[in-house]
Amino acid sequence: NAGVTQTPKFRILKIGQSMTLQCTQDMNHNYMYWYRQDPGMGLKLIYYSVGAGITDKGEVPNGYNVSRSTTEDFPLRLELAAPSQTSVYFCASSHQTGTGGYGYTFGSGTRLTVV
Amino acid sequence: AQSVTQPDIHITVSEGASLELRCNYSYGATPYLFWYVQSPGQGLQLLLKYFSGDTLVQGIKGFEAEFKRSQSSFNLRKPSVHWSDAAEYFCAVGSTGTASKLTFGTGTRLQVML
Repeated sequence: NAGVTQTPKFRILKIGQSMTLQCTQDMNHNYMYWYRQDPGMGLKLIYYSVGAGITDKGEVPNGYNVSRSTTEDFPLRLELAAPSQTSVYFCASSHQTGTGGYGYTFGSGTRLTVV
Repeated sequence: AQSVTQPDIHITVSEGASLELRCNYSYGATPYLFWYVQSPGQGLQLLLKYFSGDTLVQGIKGFEAEFKRSQSSFNLRKPSVHWSDAAEYFCAVGSTGTASKLTFGTGTRLQVML
């Protein structure tokens, strides 16, 4: 039972480079999320998806893109990396029901440094 | 818009002492409320959640939280803290719309003195 798997765990990018953060879940959860965590700022929602083929912006989407071609995968793409994107990125998933009752399952995070 | 305030950035308690971490939320309707714990270098783990019903909810690791609508609060408590409880704790509020998203507080870092 792997839960939510994120790769890579660490990455250093140069300014202007691009990369994709991978996220896979094996719980058949319909909802998936990307958050970034900065010291003293809590977690900020970047993008989320309510199912395959459906994505929407969160609070801080600029500089990022996502896709959701399958239920399991929700990659986050950084184009033209900037120092402001230095952060720890967390992927999460949840199973939504008509009566609520959900809680997120988080991955272990990707620590990204842009230099 | 929903929001969460955790007024204490850092708290230090002695092992065996009681603990209360504060959380205040802003949300127009009955909220879904959560507490998560994050150990260094790890992801977030769900401690407990409140949706409805009994306002005192029990979670894992001996934690509990009480929902007080009149005070818009959802404080986390533990009667006796263990050294392994040292971590960062996040309160979160969830919307009840069709695309439920959690809004997190800025976290409280707990240090436990032996």
